[in-house]
Amino acid sequence: DAKTTQPTSMDCAEGRAANLPCNHSTISGNEYVYWYRQIHSQGPQYIIHGLKNNETNEMASLIITEDRKSSTLILPHATLRDTAVYYCIGPRGGGADGLTFGKGTHLIIQP
Amino acid sequence: NAGVTQTPKFRVLKTGQSMTLLCAQDMNHEYMYWYRQDPGMGLRLIHYSVGEGTTAKGEVPDGYNVSRLKKQNFLLGLESAAPSQTSVYFCASSFRDRGTEAFFGQGTRLTVV
Repeated sequence: DAKTTQPTSMDCAEGRAANLPCNHSTISGNEYVYWYRQIHSQGPQYIIHGLKNNETNEMASLIITEDRKSSTLILPHATLRDTAVYYCIGPRGGGADGLTFGKGTHLIIQP
Repeated sequence: NAGVTQTPKFRVLKTGQSMTLLCAQDMNHEYMYWYRQDPGMGLRLIHYSVGEGTTAKGEVPDGYNVSRLKKQNFLLGLESAAPSQTSVYFCASSFRDRGTEAFFGQGTRLTVV
């Protein structure tokens, strides 16, 4: 299983960029890194994923180090609605086996 | 387009009772999953299915059974509920291709007393 390590919690001021780090030193070369978030007790929401290259979509950017041992999720202009638990996850053992969730990072956006 | 729909949203069971949670997806996804989430914890995989008529065990399968008779539906059964199964249950689905996102339902909050 691809294990990930994230800080337990982080604060960020509203309007600033939120940078969420993740270590995934055990991820193998062909495994994607996924980011999801969970707002309050809702179902997890997909944000972005990547393999080797940096990725950007309408929600966030994902920066993956060249050695693939860590990545950073960037929310460019955080709003209060971005307060949530953010999960950096890798596949459990292959695409069909589901995703391995840790405890994630509780991101709190301060007004 | 409803996405992933879970039924029911809330349920209280007495110890020893049985029930079935229903997950329905309208995205023609091959893969479907059942997770549970306990307070302060991440999601843990209970069972999953890679296609109609197939199921497999996840991390915490004991006490649960599943069935996938139709591609769009994935049922999670509790034959004899125990207080340790009090949790929030999430269903998810995805295409089979690697690197695709999973879509989650809104959860079923189950309390076993």
